[in-house]
Amino acid sequence: KAGVTQTPRYLIKTRGQQVTLSCSPISGHRSVSWYQQTPGQGLQFLFEYFSETQRNKGNFPGRFSGRQFSNSRSEMNVSTLELGDSALYLCASSRLQQRGTEAFFGQGTRLTVV
Amino acid sequence: AQTVTQSQPEMSVQEAETVTLSCTYDTSENNYYLFWYKQPPSRQMILVIRQEAYKQQNATENRFSVNFQKAAKSFSLKISDSQLGDTAMYFCAFMKHLGGSEKLVFGKGTKLTVNP
Repeated sequence: KAGVTQTPRYLIKTRGQQVTLSCSPISGHRSVSWYQQTPGQGLQFLFEYFSETQRNKGNFPGRFSGRQFSNSRSEMNVSTLELGDSALYLCASSRLQQRGTEAFFGQGTRLTVV
Repeated sequence: AQTVTQSQPEMSVQEAETVTLSCTYDTSENNYYLFWYKQPPSRQMILVIRQEAYKQQNATENRFSVNFQKAAKSFSLKISDSQLGDTAMYFCAFMKHLGGSEKLVFGKGTKLTVNP
């Protein structure tokens, strides 16, 4: 069974540009969550999607957005990039059939903003 | 607000020895889930062990076990017979329920180095 796949693995963008990251969950998983990982702030929750609906959003500015498609694949978009957006962006998927279900993570996308 | 604290930014252990990583958390919930995740240099977060708060028995997975003290809100990870492949960042996480969905609240992590 394929794991969570995130593309691209690495990305370099210039301040002011926008970027789209992609996440393909494990087959059968309908919940996709996104996390931002930085050395200073650690791992922070961005948002969670289930059946194409955003159910929860973390404390991030509106420049951060996402969506989920009918096949459960998800994208996140960051507009007007800032230097502080440089981070590892992790995607996690789960079945969510019951509370406490394990989340499976992808290898992340390393975004560098210059 | 739920918080997770890992007080040991870095630890090291000799191969084959035992090491314990500390984690404390704060919550007003009664039924919840706690996790330890491992993040090796490959960056992929891998679940090490999972504990359900209403279960008094400490979870174990091969060489990994936890000491779960609910009243003290403590959830430490013990790694026995440490192996070089255990070298990684270890994150303690609390699963917070938000209506119909869940999110993980992570600690800052402990960088564990296993020395030969």
